[in-house]
Amino acid sequence: EDQVTQSPEALRLQEGESSSLNCSYTVSGLRGLFWYRQDPGKGPEFLFTLYSAGEEKEKERLKATLTKKESFLHITAPKPEDSATYLCAVQAGTSYDKVIFGPGTSLSVIP
Amino acid sequence: ETGVTQSPTHLIKTRGQQVTLRCSSQSGHNTVSWYQQALGQGPQFIFQYYREEENGRGNFPPRFSGLQFPNYSSELNVNALELDDSALYLCASSPTGRGAEAFFGQGTRLTVV
Repeated sequence: EDQVTQSPEALRLQEGESSSLNCSYTVSGLRGLFWYRQDPGKGPEFLFTLYSAGEEKEKERLKATLTKKESFLHITAPKPEDSATYLCAVQAGTSYDKVIFGPGTSLSVIP
Repeated sequence: ETGVTQSPTHLIKTRGQQVTLRCSSQSGHNTVSWYQQALGQGPQFIFQYYREEENGRGNFPPRFSGLQFPNYSSELNVNALELDDSALYLCASSPTGRGAEAFFGQGTRLTVV
């Protein structure tokens, strides 16, 4: 069965303290892995798409990497405005664009 | 601003009732997906519409149904509401073939009492 897990469930960082979030997946025929940011009470905001192992994408203080079984979202020198839930999602090898989301990591950055 | 709008933003219904949620997709996007997000969990895929046809469905019972209109806006209908249907319902639109690079609306918070 296709599955996506994320760790840790929650992460508390001091401003400027770099860290990484993990997304592990078990799917047949990965077509893409996606990272979203979700603020409380709002819909997810698209961050990155990764398609193949070894691929990396960067945006401001965020960098996403992909291996054959997992992806990491690295946060460098985070600021309080980076506080949010980060969701990982995978698109599996089906005939339609079904997306499987992980449970998310809740990040809090303390000033 | 994503351009995807959902209505209403909040809704309270009684168990057994029926509800219709609406979504206006972003201009140029012909694919709409619906998700259910329970508190503290990731979104769960309900179904997807492409050019007015259901294009895929997750593990949701038939009382969850939908429509897509010629202008690509969409509706999610839920019959015989249950307490466990209380959740944030998200609509996401995307251009053809890029289902996950999707733009989400702000969601409709449904509470079933």
